[in-house]
Amino acid sequence: EAGVAQSPRYKIIEKRQSVAFWCNPISGHATLYWYQQILGQGPKLLIQFQNNGVVDDSQLPKDRFSAERLKGVDSTLKIQPAKLEDSAVYLCASSLGGQGNEKLFFGSGTQLSVL
Amino acid sequence: DAKTTQPPSMDCAEGRAANLPCNHSTISGNEYVYWYRQIHSQGPQYIIHGLKNNETNEMASLIITEDRKSSTLILPHATLRDTAVYYCIVRVAGSARQLTFGSGTQLTVLP
Repeated sequence: EAGVAQSPRYKIIEKRQSVAFWCNPISGHATLYWYQQILGQGPKLLIQFQNNGVVDDSQLPKDRFSAERLKGVDSTLKIQPAKLEDSAVYLCASSLGGQGNEKLFFGSGTQLSVL
Repeated sequence: DAKTTQPPSMDCAEGRAANLPCNHSTISGNEYVYWYRQIHSQGPQYIIHGLKNNETNEMASLIITEDRKSSTLILPHATLRDTAVYYCIVRVAGSARQLTFGSGTQLTVLP
């Protein structure tokens, strides 16, 4: 079974530039998450989708971050414009969703460096 | 969701059991204990979860105290590949809310 796919693996940009990350979850997984992980810290949720609807985006900096999940499958996370403090690993995760003791499956992440 | 407390770091000799503690003194009756680990440069990986009974799978064992205020993750025969950050998380089962990660425990398995 294929895992959660993310691209690119690494990205280096200058501040005020724009960047986009892509995630393809495990087939059949209804729930998709984007996490931000700053060096030395645990992952922090940015946004959670259930199919193509947003369940929780309370910690997403909406003035610069946006995310969409077209047709309830792939998802894209965008930052525009980027700031130095956005340097982090951006992790995508998916789960089957619904009731139950859910396991989250994570991708390897995109490491973003903002110079 | 209840908060958890873990030691920031631990060492373990290769081949020995690694016992990782977690304190969750404010856990509610319907909250499960989950463990994930994160190997360097990878995303977190699910290990095990439980409610009040001890659990075992192919990766680890989870021991939850009778009062449920603390738990221990046991890796019975640690290998160098078990070097990772281990996260203990409590969460209501079936909740749509996300897993909230703390800082975890950095486990280093020494040769």
